[in-house]
Amino acid sequence: GEDVEQSLFLSVREGDSSVINCTYTDSSSTYLYWYKQEPGAGLQLLTYIFSNMDMKQDQRLTVLLNKKDKHLSLRIADTQTGDSAIYFCADTNAGKSTFGDGTTLTVKP
Amino acid sequence: DAGVIQSPRHEVTEMGQEVTLRCKPISGHDYLFWYRQTMMRGLELLIYFNNNVPIDDSGMPEDRFSAKMPNASFSTLKIQPSEPRDSAVYFCASSERGSLTDTQYFGPGTRLTVL
Repeated sequence: GEDVEQSLFLSVREGDSSVINCTYTDSSSTYLYWYKQEPGAGLQLLTYIFSNMDMKQDQRLTVLLNKKDKHLSLRIADTQTGDSAIYFCADTNAGKSTFGDGTTLTVKP
Repeated sequence: DAGVIQSPRHEVTEMGQEVTLRCKPISGHDYLFWYRQTMMRGLELLIYFNNNVPIDDSGMPEDRFSAKMPNASFSTLKIQPSEPRDSAVYFCASSERGSLTDTQYFGPGTRLTVL
């Protein structure tokens, strides 16, 4: 079946850039997503990229997609303490999404 | 819209008791998903519905778990009898197929503790 994998933890200093990586197996995914989960809350869509794109930029967020390698990354520029959260990568096919296990981002002041 | 609504937000029960979790999806969404999140297993898809019909329940752990969607605005996830290993946060999410992105919108979750 489909699988989405990500590293579990990332720690950065405030002001640095954060890069969270993800690999997926479903080559027919239409969209790929990054969701953010803050403590005690549900997942919230952060950004997405259409599968025929290779880059998308949205303010401090940059999403890179390498479809050949099935690799997705999320770069957060000028990381702030408020960015500390769990970040989930997900793909979608026929309405159903497969989520990775989430990367816990810790931002140190 | 108020978003996906789940109730209760917290539930503490004793082993062997029946637990019912409730979800109201966003109006107009035709997909509804139930997830379970634990530290050990991460986010697991339990079951999802399309137009109130269960499509894939392969993630339901065992027969003690059941889910229903009697109409487009309400779904329940029932655990009977509950066990301590069912302790987790249960999320409901909904989406609109045919929307631009098939984005799932998550509820705030129900934190279940089984003693």
